[in-house]
Amino acid sequence: QVQLVESGGGVVQPGRSLRLSCAASGFTFSTYAMNWVRQAPGKGLEWVTVISNDGSNKYYAESVKGRFTISRDDSENTVHLQMNSLRAEDTAVYYCARESNSLEYWGQGTLVTVSS
Amino acid sequence: QAGLTQPPSVSKGLRQTATLTCTGDINNVGNQGASWLQQHQGHPPKLLSYRNNIRPSGISERFSASRSGNTASLTITGLQPEDEADYYCSAWDSSLSVWLFGGGTKLTVL
Repeated sequence: QVQLVESGGGVVQPGRSLRLSCAASGFTFSTYAMNWVRQAPGKGLEWVTVISNDGSNKYYAESVKGRFTISRDDSENTVHLQMNSLRAEDTAVYYCARESNSLEYWGQGTLVTVSS
Repeated sequence: QAGLTQPPSVSKGLRQTATLTCTGDINNVGNQGASWLQQHQGHPPKLLSYRNNIRPSGISERFSASRSGNTASLTITGLQPEDEADYYCSAWDSSLSVWLFGGGTKLTVL
């Protein structure tokens, strides 16, 4: 069955960096676009970024453009989110989601807390 | 980036029918269609329907979706206590090349 497992979250100071990973299994990873979506405590869902199945197209939310970078390693069935210049407002649970007509499968999420 | 518009809350009685709405524009809901997600407290979102009215395997027939113009709707019949959750709509915006979410509707089953 489809499994998405996020890792790499934690507490980080403002201005620092963090790299999240999402390990996928149960499907042919290289044929799907992958997304990151976040949810601040007590708030709604906010889409962050997507990478196409072949890695050639990447799109970002305005709130993270220029600071976050999405990448994928099809040999490891993993998608990464490099987050630089972190701000307090980046504090959230970060989910990875497989895309096929919709954001159809979601991981359990990893919590990122940006605080001094 | 503008999002999709959902009412913040809806309350209905047990075994009643609830209809949740989601309004976008021609670049997202009106063109690409909407999908609906259910999220219980402390859990990740779960896909209920996509392309306006297709249910993934395992999703109850009590959940049905539709679209009229730029507004998508999710109808839940025979409300059960376990239906109490947050519901989000989402749609790809072809003009902005971003996924949009609604602010979410908190459904309370009385």
